[in-house]
Amino acid sequence: QLQLQESGPGLVKPSETLSLTCTVSGDSITTTYYFWGWIRQPPGKGLEWIGTTSYGGTTYFNPSLKTRVTMSLDTSKNQFSLKLTSVTAADTAVYYCARESCSATTCYRWYYHMDVWGKGTTVTVSS
Amino acid sequence: SYVLTQPPSVSVAPGQTAKITCGGNNIGSKSVYWYQQMPGQAPVLVIFDDRDRPSGIPERFSGSNSGNTATLTISRVEAVDEADYYCHVWDSSSDYVIFGGGTKLTVL
Repeated sequence: QLQLQESGPGLVKPSETLSLTCTVSGDSITTTYYFWGWIRQPPGKGLEWIGTTSYGGTTYFNPSLKTRVTMSLDTSKNQFSLKLTSVTAADTAVYYCARESCSATTCYRWYYHMDVWGKGTTVTVSS
Repeated sequence: SYVLTQPPSVSVAPGQTAKITCGGNNIGSKSVYWYQQMPGQAPVLVIFDDRDRPSGIPERFSGSNSGNTATLTISRVEAVDEADYYCHVWDSSSDYVIFGGGTKLTVL
């Protein structure tokens, strides 16, 4: 059974870089047609999609975060990671990693959806 | 950019039918996905491709999408269905995922 687990510091100082890792078990991140993404949820608010990446190197990012976000895959550890630079208090949130998969015959990007989620990790930005 | 509008809250008595809407310009031309989020837990996919249910999701959950409104319908609502529900589409003009603001379903 596929499982995802986020890990990383729970506290980050303003202006520093937030770094999180998602460890995948039960499937390989090199599997074709999957994307691996990050979503966050500020306290008491709704979901915000951060971005996604695939083994093939295709990436998509939320335009509002694009200049500060980097995503990468580590196939040797079956992990993928998120880096968010120059953080502020507005980046305080629960961060989720998720697998994005497609059920259509032809997997255009608009057919992808988050079918498996990690449990989430809380990141607080504070000095 | 594309905007998805959901009612902040919907209330329904047990055994009744709950309808949660997701409004967007010509959303009927897009594929819509729905997620259920219990308090303190990660979201769970309940509907994909407008109307399909992942394995393990009760038949009481159904979806539709036409015109400017997509709808998640929960029949024979149970107390366990009380949660936040989010819709999602892909914005092809800017190439990113958009979530609706979420709807809190309260079972009276």
